[in-house]
Amino acid sequence: DTEVTQTPKHLVMGMTNKKSLKCEQHMGHRAMYWYKQKAKKPPELMFVYSYEKLSINESVPSRFSPECPNSSLLNLHLHALQPEDSALYLCASSQDPSGAYEQYFGPGTRLTVT
Amino acid sequence: KNEVEQSPQNLTAQEGEFITINCSYSVGISALHWLQQHPGGGIVSLFMLSSGKKKHGRLIATINIQEKHSSLHITASHPRDSAVYICATRDDKIIFGKGTRLHILP
Repeated sequence: DTEVTQTPKHLVMGMTNKKSLKCEQHMGHRAMYWYKQKAKKPPELMFVYSYEKLSINESVPSRFSPECPNSSLLNLHLHALQPEDSALYLCASSQDPSGAYEQYFGPGTRLTVT
Repeated sequence: KNEVEQSPQNLTAQEGEFITINCSYSVGISALHWLQQHPGGGIVSLFMLSSGKKKHGRLIATINIQEKHSSLHITASHPRDSAVYICATRDDKIIFGKGTRLHILP
């Protein structure tokens, strides 16, 4: 099983809402990543979890809150978002964070903030 | 910081043509990814290379570590190959190129 799954596929939320994005992998990977991608731009790294601990936060605003409850699951909690946060949010995983292994990407969650 | 440059930015070709997409980077890396993204879709990893050449079906990827350059080739291109192809370098972080938008006409 080389699949990374993400739910939901689409999410529309108001600026006062609280919602969560979910990512799951069952490949035994110990590194998991959140990326944000705006239209016609490459993905931008947001967070890296390494062995279930947050290892990189790319100066992401606190209205985005990641969580790694176990080695297979990665959540991104959203609160008080702005319309400019509308984007495709991609999750990825790799065997470890060293750079020696490829990343496997999920299909993404398309988020619209109204 | 590694700079990753891709060329061309956009490419339109006829079905059956041989396609080449280039990627150059500025500092030494541990590996390089080639990724494919269809419109509105997630990203598929095509290759991860640290040296030499890899082939999968009609896709071939090469890397020259000394010249800091990689190429992705598609033989006998098909409209379903239409996508954005992204080169990304891997070290402690992944750095993405801006992507090449490929459109294959039937």
